[in-house]
Amino acid sequence: KQEVTQIPAALSVPEGENLVLNCSFTDSAIYNLQWFRQDPGKGLTSLLLIQSSQREQTSGRLNASLDKSSGRSTLYIAASQPGDSATYLCAVGAFGNEKLTFGTGTRLTIIP
Amino acid sequence: NAGVMQNPRHLVRRRGQEARLRCSPMKGHSHVYWYRQLPEEGLKFMVYLQKENIIDESGMPKERFSAEFPKEGPSILRIQQVVRGDSAAYFCASSPRPGQIQETQYFGPGTRLLVL
Repeated sequence: KQEVTQIPAALSVPEGENLVLNCSFTDSAIYNLQWFRQDPGKGLTSLLLIQSSQREQTSGRLNASLDKSSGRSTLYIAASQPGDSATYLCAVGAFGNEKLTFGTGTRLTIIP
Repeated sequence: NAGVMQNPRHLVRRRGQEARLRCSPMKGHSHVYWYRQLPEEGLKFMVYLQKENIIDESGMPKERFSAEFPKEGPSILRIQQVVRGDSAAYFCASSPRPGQIQETQYFGPGTRLLVL
């Protein structure tokens, strides 16, 4: 059974700093890994999707890496802004299994 | 192209009543997923449906919960005889071609169910 863990559960950093969010998964037989953003009372917004054959994906100030062998992914946010404050969720999809398995998220607060 | 739509956005029910949650997938998407997010927890998969078929319901509670995705109209998640523990945010997602490594699921805004 796939289990996804995100550390830390909450993180507060001053505006402008670079930061890293961590995600680990127990079963390396994944076909993709996604990072989502969830704002309070809202739905999920897909930020980055990394295919199993890829090592990283970049979008603007965001960079996500994937190391299948060690069961880890990181989300790097450069030059953080108050608008980045949200909960960030990591989710993995497995071959032959269309459902996504989510971590519990990291609640990020950027302090102006 | 409208995104995934869910209604109602907020639903209040008393214990023992029925809750019906609706999800309209993105245009062109024929695969729907329901997830539940309990307070302070991550999203948990409940059920995966295609038009007129339940493909995977391994995450559905054995009793009181049912889901359908008819040929016409939205997908419905139905909870009978609700209890306080059913209070949660219920998210619907859709995709055009599940199981594709380059495809993501597109999520709706969720329905927040509160059972009094």
